[in-house]
Amino acid sequence: AQSVAQPEDQVNVAEGNPLTVKCTYSVSGNPYLFWYVQYPNRGLQFLLKYITGDNLVKGSYGFEAEFNKSQTSFHLKKPSALVSDSALYFCAVSLKVGAGYNFNKFYFGSGTKLNVKP
Amino acid sequence: GAGVSQSPRYKVAKRGQDVALRCDPISGHVSLFWYQQALGQGPEFLTYFQNEAQLDKSGLPSDRFFAERPEGSVSTLKIQRTQQEDSAVYLCASRRTSGVVDSYNEQFFGPGTRLTVL
Repeated sequence: AQSVAQPEDQVNVAEGNPLTVKCTYSVSGNPYLFWYVQYPNRGLQFLLKYITGDNLVKGSYGFEAEFNKSQTSFHLKKPSALVSDSALYFCAVSLKVGAGYNFNKFYFGSGTKLNVKP
Repeated sequence: GAGVSQSPRYKVAKRGQDVALRCDPISGHVSLFWYQQALGQGPEFLTYFQNEAQLDKSGLPSDRFFAERPEGSVSTLKIQRTQQEDSAVYLCASRRTSGVVDSYNEQFFGPGTRLTVL
């Protein structure tokens, strides 16, 4: 079975400090990896993805994520947090191949609430 | 450009009522997904369409759930005889297709329909 874990329900960080939101996964084969952000009463917004190549990927709003194959992790990072970064963050994976059409769907983590304090 | 839209945004139903939730995907997106997001959880896959064909419905929790996309654009998720455990946010997502397998492409999410069953 495929699974995605976000071990922290909540992350608190002071504005201007670096932030990390953790994600680990357990899937069959090599996955594609994504980060989304959700603001209250709004849909999920795409931040970045890892497909192949350089393990460090850069995305929207200054966010980046590092893919670590040996640790099956894809942690989201930002060098300097803003109060406006406060939101709910979701890690998601899809499969490169699979039985039937199950490679198409996203498997999501349970989400991490990021609180950035002024 | 216009994103994915969903209606209604909020729906309150009495236990046993039927409900219909609508999704308008991004124009030209041939892949469409439905997810269910329970309170405090990540989205869970329900079903997947490619054009009008429902290729994966493995996530539908019971035969009370039915989805259709008859003309390959707008989709409707119908829940018959609603139960309290159906209370959740229902998210629709669409994805641009560039080939037979495009699970590396991001999905674009609508704002969701919050269903409350009393």
